[in-house]
Amino acid sequence: EVQLVESGGGLVQRGGSLRLSCAASGFTFSRHWMSWVRQAPGKGLEWVANIRLDGREKYYVDSVKGRFTISRDNAKNSLYLQMNSLRAEDTAVYYCARHDDSGTYIFEYWGQGTLVTVSS
Amino acid sequence: QSALTQPASVSGSPGQSITISCTGTSSDVGSYKFVSWYQQHPGKGPKLMIYEGSKRPSGVSNRLSGSKSGNTASLTISGLQAEDEADYYCCSYAGSSTYVFGTGTKVTVL
Repeated sequence: EVQLVESGGGLVQRGGSLRLSCAASGFTFSRHWMSWVRQAPGKGLEWVANIRLDGREKYYVDSVKGRFTISRDNAKNSLYLQMNSLRAEDTAVYYCARHDDSGTYIFEYWGQGTLVTVSS
Repeated sequence: QSALTQPASVSGSPGQSITISCTGTSSDVGSYKFVSWYQQHPGKGPKLMIYEGSKRPSGVSNRLSGSKSGNTASLTISGLQAEDEADYYCCSYAGSSTYVFGTGTKVTVL
């Protein structure tokens, strides 16, 4: 069974930093692109970043470029999101999502999310 | 990278059919077949329901169907059931390994 378990969320002051983790199990982690998707309270989903199988390609939504860094450790089956210079508008539930491995550009499985609250 | 446009809410009685639209641009929905739909119940992570515009993953009810024409994709739920009450989001590949989601639609079963 595919499982994605996010952790690391919490309350942080504006301008601060936080590192999110996503522990993956039930599949071969190194065979899948992975993404972070966030959802502000009462709002819709927003794709944040994704990372290639080997970690050599990374892509970001414009609003987080230069502040967030996505990374992965295939030996530990883990995905990370380092968030710096946090703003109030970064307050959201952050989901870890697995892409499929057949080129259909979908978010095939999702975790339950971890809440990040940036206080102003 | 503007969000795709969806109606805020759609409602229907049990057994009826409803359709949710998802309007993008020629840079996303209009350029790629990679439109997917996700269902989200309160407090839960999203679940993939439709991909490549009209394909259903294993285990997803055949009461759900998807289509696309030009810059607009659509999700139809036929034979509406109480369990279909949830939020629904479309998503399109937008090139260069980036994605854009829709604004979301709350489906209410009357």
